[in-house]
Amino acid sequence: EIVMTQSPATLSVSPGERATLSCRASQSVNRNLAWYQQKPGQAPRLLIYGASTRATGIAARFSGSGSGTEFTLTISSLQSEDFAVYYCQQYNNWPPWTFGQGTKVEIK
Amino acid sequence: EVQLVESGGGLVQPGESLRLSCAASGFDVSNNYMSWVRQAPGKGLEWVSVIYSGGITYSAVSVKGRFTISRDNSKNTLYLQMNSLRADDTAVYYCAKYLDPRIAATGPIDFWGQGTLVTVSS
Repeated sequence: EIVMTQSPATLSVSPGERATLSCRASQSVNRNLAWYQQKPGQAPRLLIYGASTRATGIAARFSGSGSGTEFTLTISSLQSEDFAVYYCQQYNNWPPWTFGQGTKVEIK
Repeated sequence: EVQLVESGGGLVQPGESLRLSCAASGFDVSNNYMSWVRQAPGKGLEWVSVIYSGGITYSAVSVKGRFTISRDNSKNTLYLQMNSLRADDTAVYYCAKYLDPRIAATGPIDFWGQGTLVTVSS
């Protein structure tokens, strides 16, 4: 099973600033990596798949990069609605599909 | 429009059983890979079970032998039969549809249900 590790656990950012979230895989997942956003009381929402392809309707301020074992989600200018928990997920070796433990982006 | 509506959650005692349902609309569950994903209170996401379009199923080690995923094509509904429930099965259970495999390898989940809470406690 591939283990996904996200850092940091919590990121404090001011509105308008850039946020950079990291995700590391215990072995290569090529570019089979997705990112999700989850707000309290809601289901997750797909942001990015294929490491860097934005899902339908996702704002351009969200971007993903990386391959192999190291990945990054960047939110270029944080809006109030972006404060949430973000999860990465690998889908290179499955089942099981595995998720990181999440990064909470909070208001500084 | 794709919709997934879960039902069947509730409070049960350890060792009891529960069946979750997920009514789908806007697409055919029979032609898609479908999964259940759970989230314990205050914790992250954990994949639970998958059913392939061809009917093959797999489950996470943590639920193997206790949980069974199935579907009723005539009702366009996904199920999760949960037996021998334990306290650590307490979670919100989400029904999940994978992104069209013609777009990406099977894995990204583009539609989620609203979730149904299962609480296992004496």
